[in-house]
Amino acid sequence: KQEVTQIPAALSVPEGENLVLNCSFTDSAIYNLQWFRQDPGKGLTSLLLIQSSQREQTSGRLNASLDKSSGRSTLYIAASQPGDSATYLCAVSQGPGYSTLTFGKGTMLLVSP
Amino acid sequence: GAGVSQSPSNKVTEKGKDVELRCDPISGHTALYWYRQSLGQGLEFLIYFQGNSAPDKSGLPSDRFSAERTGGSVSTLTIQRTQQEDSAVYLCASSSLTGIYEQYFGPGTRLTVT
Repeated sequence: KQEVTQIPAALSVPEGENLVLNCSFTDSAIYNLQWFRQDPGKGLTSLLLIQSSQREQTSGRLNASLDKSSGRSTLYIAASQPGDSATYLCAVSQGPGYSTLTFGKGTMLLVSP
Repeated sequence: GAGVSQSPSNKVTEKGKDVELRCDPISGHTALYWYRQSLGQGLEFLIYFQGNSAPDKSGLPSDRFSAERTGGSVSTLTIQRTQQEDSAVYLCASSSLTGIYEQYFGPGTRLTVT
């Protein structure tokens, strides 16, 4: 059974810092990995999706990397801003024929001005 | 275009009552997923509809939970004889079954059982 772990569970940083969120998964036979953002009381917003054949994806100040063989992904946020404060969730899918996502419990990020 | 929509956004019900939660997926998406997000439990899969295939119900926590998808579009999640432990946010997602299978989530329905 796939298990996804996110470290740290919570992170507080001052504005402007670069930071890294970590995600690990126990079964390396994944199809893709998604990073999501969730604001309090809201649904999930997809940030980046990395297919199993890819090593990284970038969107603006965000960069996600994937090391499938070691079961790890990182989300790098450059020059953090107070608006980045949210919970960040990592999720993996096992394959195109079974694309249900298995989620980590998230990292709660607070960026203070 | 329009994203995934869910209704109601909030639902308060008394223990023992039945509730129905609705999900409208993105037009053309053939895959639809229900997840539940409970306090301290994280997000867990409930049920998955893929095209015209039989749904994968392996995540449903009990036989009080059921879901249907009519005409390959709108889906309804029904919880019978609600219990306090059913209180959670119920999230729906949809995806295309071609390409990268990226899932797009709705805003969720917050269910409170009193």
